[in-house]
Amino acid sequence: AQSVTQPDIHITVSEGASLELRCNYSYGATPYLFWYVQSPGQGLQLLLKYFSGDTLVQGIKGFEAEFKRSQSSFNLRKPSVHWSDAAEYFCAVGSFNNDMRFGAGTRLTVKP
Amino acid sequence: DAMVIQNPRYQVTQFGKPVTLSCSQTLNHNVMYWYQQKSSQAPKLLFHYYDKDFNNEADTPDNFQSRRPNTSFCFLDIRSPGLGDAAMYLCATSRDRAAEQFFGPGTRLTVL
Repeated sequence: AQSVTQPDIHITVSEGASLELRCNYSYGATPYLFWYVQSPGQGLQLLLKYFSGDTLVQGIKGFEAEFKRSQSSFNLRKPSVHWSDAAEYFCAVGSFNNDMRFGAGTRLTVKP
Repeated sequence: DAMVIQNPRYQVTQFGKPVTLSCSQTLNHNVMYWYQQKSSQAPKLLFHYYDKDFNNEADTPDNFQSRRPNTSFCFLDIRSPGLGDAAMYLCATSRDRAAEQFFGPGTRLTVL
């Protein structure tokens, strides 16, 4: 069965520092991978997605993620965090003809 | 702008009083989803429509039903809301099941 694990429930970083949010998946087929961001009381916004091709994916708001098949990971990174990046981040996995499954989320706090 | 709209944004109902949440889309997507999200948790898929085909998750309570009268609209009906049904309800759409999902802003349901 497909599953997504986000090992970090809560991460705090200082503004301007780099960020990496971890995501590991378990999947029998070729996965499609996504990162979404959710601000309090809002819906989810897609940051980036991986279907195939280049394993380093660029997204919106300066985020990127790297697909590492050997590690079953799809970690999200940003070189310099802004206070407005404070939010909940969800990794998700899907595949052809299968519904998307979300990880439990990582809450990001940004210190001034 | 093409988008996913949910009405109302906030809904208060009484224990056992039926309630209907609405979702509309201007994206002309084939698939529409309903998720339930409780505080600090990942969105949980309740069901989805692929065009007119309804697909219910195995663990979705019978208390929850959905209607999709046309491509643009989808409704979530909660026949007899309990206190445990208080949550954020998110509607999402996608071009097909493998594609990224676009989320509405959500409806926050309170059950008194």
